Amino acid sequence: EVQLVQSGAEVKKPGESLRISCKGSGYSFTSYWISWVRQMPGKGLEWMGRIDPSDSYTNYSPSFQGHVTISADKSISTAYLQWSSLKASDTAMYYCARIRAVAPTYSDYWGQGTLVTVSS
Amino acid sequence: QPVLTQSSSASASLGSSVKLTCTLSSGHSSYIIAWHQQQPGKAPRYLMKLEGSGSYNKGSGVPDRFSGSSSGADRYLTISNLQSEDEADYYCETWDSNTHWVFGGGTKLTVL
Repeated sequence: EVQLVQSGAEVKKPGESLRISCKGSGYSFTSYWISWVRQMPGKGLEWMGRIDPSDSYTNYSPSFQGHVTISADKSISTAYLQWSSLKASDTAMYYCARIRAVAPTYSDYWGQGTLVTVSS
Repeated sequence: QPVLTQSSSASASLGSSVKLTCTLSSGHSSYIIAWHQQQPGKAPRYLMKLEGSGSYNKGSGVPDRFSGSSSGADRYLTISNLQSEDEADYYCETWDSNTHWVFGGGTKLTVL
């Protein structure tokens, strides 16, 4: 059974750093890509970026480029989303999703989400 | 890059059918999309991949009540015999050159 299991909810202060994780199981982790998707309270889904765990090649949405870092450790089948300095506006639910690495490249499985709250 | 347009809301009665629309921007009418369902308080769930020809492939466990179709730049998700658990937000997704993915704004479906 394909599963993407994300790390737990986080409460942070502005300016703090954070890394959340997404662990894949039930499939070959390096044969699919991982996307990160933001959902702000009461809003829709926003694509942030994706990584190819086989070689750590990344693409970012222009809206998120420079604000977050996506990485992966294929030895433990885990992808990460990282902030170096959080802002209150980063408060949101974050989802990882598996993307097919061969066309058509759509998201076919989702993690359960990680709620990030940034407040002083 | 493609843009996906969805109506913000839709409603239909229990046991009836509803057809949700996702419209691709000009120049992208041949693109394949995916439909996802997000029930209240839950993570999104992949429903199906839908091609411009109208051919679709559903995810594991997606009920037969869900089907897809296409016409030009429009991609449709039809839900028949609506159930209370179908009340959810529905998002379409597409991608461009395997470097950029985009979601539509989502349609909030209310089952009356």
